[in-house]
Amino acid sequence: AQSVTQLDSHVSVSEGTPVLLRCNYSSSYSPSLFWYVQHPNKGLQLLLKYTSAATLVKGINGFEAEFKKSETSFHLTKPSAHMSDAAEYFCVVSELNNNDMRFGAGTRLTVKP
Amino acid sequence: DGGITQSPKYLFRKEGQNVTLSCEQNLNHDAMYWYRQDPGQGLRLIYYSQIVNDFQKGDIAEGYSVSREKKESFPLTVTSAQKNPTAFYLCASSPTGANIYNEQFFGPGTRLTVL
Repeated sequence: AQSVTQLDSHVSVSEGTPVLLRCNYSSSYSPSLFWYVQHPNKGLQLLLKYTSAATLVKGINGFEAEFKKSETSFHLTKPSAHMSDAAEYFCVVSELNNNDMRFGAGTRLTVKP
Repeated sequence: DGGITQSPKYLFRKEGQNVTLSCEQNLNHDAMYWYRQDPGQGLRLIYYSQIVNDFQKGDIAEGYSVSREKKESFPLTVTSAQKNPTAFYLCASSPTGANIYNEQFFGPGTRLTVL
């Protein structure tokens, strides 16, 4: 069965500095990987997804993630943090033709002025 | 304007009462899901349905029940048997079929507080 581990429960950065949110996954088959963002008391919004095409995936709001099979990682990055990026971020793994999605515990991103 | 709606946004109930949370989607998706979210934790799957009139238990189904009489609707009932029902509940839907990469679309959530 697939699983995902988000390595940091809380990340704090200053506005204008890079963001790195780390995610490692485990999957027996070809995985699909997703990053979702959740603002307080809101539903989840898809940032980006990896579906076996290009290993570097670009998403909304300037975020991107790189799929590294050898490291079983799918870290989320952004070159320059904005105050509006402050939110909870979830890394998610599923397998092709399998509707079972596994969520990480989440990483809370704080952006300081 | 396609999407998923959940109602109500906030819900308060007395201990021992059953309560039903609504979830509707107009995305024509076959699959629908209910998740529970607690502070500092990821989402945990309560129930899911891949087709009308069929549903399966997720990881934490005890104390919950669902129905799927229509493709667009997947209501969740939190029963008095659920020992700790206060949480944020999220509904999601996704298309199904071969070569589908399972992206799920989420509603805005319902925050249930049991007094």
